[in-house]
Amino acid sequence: GEKVEQHESTLSVREGDSAVINCTYTDTASSYFPWYKQEAGKSLHFVIDIRSNVDRKQSQRLIVLLDKKAKRFSLHITATQPEDSAIYFCAASRGSNNRIFFGDGTQLVVKP
Amino acid sequence: NSKVIQTPRYLVKGQGQKAKMRCIPEKGHPVVFWYQQNKNNEFKFLINFQNQEVLQQIDMTEKRFSAECPSNSPCSLEIQSSEAGDSALYLCASSPGHSGNTLYFGEGSRLIVV
Repeated sequence: GEKVEQHESTLSVREGDSAVINCTYTDTASSYFPWYKQEAGKSLHFVIDIRSNVDRKQSQRLIVLLDKKAKRFSLHITATQPEDSAIYFCAASRGSNNRIFFGDGTQLVVKP
Repeated sequence: NSKVIQTPRYLVKGQGQKAKMRCIPEKGHPVVFWYQQNKNNEFKFLINFQNQEVLQQIDMTEKRFSAECPSNSPCSLEIQSSEAGDSALYLCASSPGHSGNTLYFGEGSRLIVV
């Protein structure tokens, strides 16, 4: 089955800098790649996603890049703010109603 | 605030006891997923439904868990005989079922098996 790996378990940046979280996947049939944020003691909150028909998607300060050849995707958070501090999970799925496979999370700390 | 409602938020069970969790999906979402998140933040997919039908489930779910999503009632996940290793956060998520299957998660039910 699919295996999603998140390369950074922790990431610390200064407020205003950019943060990049990298993920890889193994299933070439995966076509849907969402990202979720989990703040301490809370549930997962959807932040952004990308589908395999594009290689870049931006929503305000969030940019997702997808490299299908390398089976790699990344989340870029620009102009980071302290409220961006959380655990970020990348995920991959074959789409439709197939199960979504999650990475193990990256703890992002944004220092004021 | 999440529109997926999970109850109870916390439950404490002894080994061998049943543990039951409920989930009301977001209105209009026919697809429901259950995941287990352990203390290391690892996710384990348990089962998913479209309306009342099971789409996929893992072996563990088949053997020790029972789950259903009856019409006009909350979905539920029940562990027949709790084990220490079942201590985790159980997350329910619903999806509108479109091709992208974005999941919207509830706050979770935290199970502690003592």
